[in-house]
Amino acid sequence: DGGITQSPKYLFRKEGQNVTLSCEQNLNHDAMYWYRQDPGQGLRLIYYSQIVNDFQKGDIAEGYSVSREKKESFPLTVTSAQKNPTAFYLCASSSRADEQFFGPGTRLTVL
Amino acid sequence: AQSVTQLGSHVSVSEGALVLLRCNYSSSVPPYLFWYVQYPNQGLQLLLKYTTGATLVKGINGFEAEFKKSETSFHLTKPSAHMSDAAEYFCAVSDESGSQGNLIFGKGTKLSVKP
Repeated sequence: DGGITQSPKYLFRKEGQNVTLSCEQNLNHDAMYWYRQDPGQGLRLIYYSQIVNDFQKGDIAEGYSVSREKKESFPLTVTSAQKNPTAFYLCASSSRADEQFFGPGTRLTVL
Repeated sequence: AQSVTQLGSHVSVSEGALVLLRCNYSSSVPPYLFWYVQYPNQGLQLLLKYTTGATLVKGINGFEAEFKKSETSFHLTKPSAHMSDAAEYFCAVSDESGSQGNLIFGKGTKLSVKP
């Protein structure tokens, strides 16, 4: 089955630690996206990549980093510089301008 | 810059009643418009989309939406609500800044369905 997988589903982090969220797709999509979701705020774009080895900052990139070494993979690192990382993180991909497909999400909690 | 406004962060209807979720957008170019649904602790699933052509768009689970350019609206409707429709709904518009594929999302409307 084609789709997007995110792991882990739940992640706990101690303050001061970096953590990496995984996102993999087998849809052969060129573009991939990371969003952060907080209650009542909708989805906010963190980073996006429209082609391998290239990515751009979204609206709230501070405290996050990404890489795009393979078409299928777009991992997100939440660094210790992100002051309020507790949130639900969603990864998406698309092949053109008319639809994004979403993964099941990772819920990150800072202890 | 584009924006999406969803009127009402919470909407409550009775089972069998009409569902109407409102979405207004701003865009200086013909937009692509989307409605997504999200169940608790899950990702977003596409309900329907408007790109070009017929302005009344039918989606999954009996939902439909009408693109009204003069009103800059793309409201989501369903004639008869079912308990399984309880979820959060997001309207989105394509980003006209040239970043192909990027979407601008509204803040979401949480739909409750009373028995």
